[in-house]
Amino acid sequence: QVQLQESGPGLVEPSETLSLTCAVSGYSVSSGYYWGWIRQTPGRGLEWIGSMYHSGSTNYNPSLKSRVTMSVDTSKNQFSLKLNSVTASDTAVYYCARHSYYGSGSFQDYWGQGTLVTVSS
Amino acid sequence: EIVLTQSAGTLSLSPGERATLSCRASQSVSSGYLAWYQHKPGQAPRLLIYGASSRATGIPDRFSGSASGTDFTLSISRLEPEDFGVYYCQLFGTSPPMYTFGQGTKLEIK
Repeated sequence: QVQLQESGPGLVEPSETLSLTCAVSGYSVSSGYYWGWIRQTPGRGLEWIGSMYHSGSTNYNPSLKSRVTMSVDTSKNQFSLKLNSVTASDTAVYYCARHSYYGSGSFQDYWGQGTLVTVSS
Repeated sequence: EIVLTQSAGTLSLSPGERATLSCRASQSVSSGYLAWYQHKPGQAPRLLIYGASSRATGIPDRFSGSASGTDFTLSISRLEPEDFGVYYCQLFGTSPPMYTFGQGTKLEIK
């Protein structure tokens, strides 16, 4: 059974960098699939942040691209998100998820339970 | 940018009833790129349907999806108490790769 678990600080100060890690069990991130992040805010609902392949190929939401960096650590079987220059509008529950492709379509078939990150001084 | 609109904010139905949830795309899209998720408080979202009508692994056959033009529907034939939650539709776009969600429909079980 594939399981994902987010971890990271629950409080980040404005203008700082939000850093989260997603630990994966039950599947090796280097075996395939894209791995990525989605967040949920009361105002904007669910918003896809981006995803990446273990080889380093990335896809980012154009609205966040300038502030997002993702990386994969195959030795620890985990992947990470960094979002810089955060503001209060980045306060959200952040989910990590496995991205599955079929034919020319795609969806997220496994998700973490989410972690709340609050941006505040 | 394609917008997904889920018409009902909240549906309140009784066990055994049929639920019909709607999702409309703002422009023509491939039905193969539409997915549905169920989300309960404090839990990970759960994939229900992909490709507009294919059930994900382990999803009961009372869940079904359909598409007609820009309109997508998730149907739950006989509601069970555990079917409460918020249901989201999601569209995958390819240029660039991008995912867009509807705003969600909250399903309450009476």
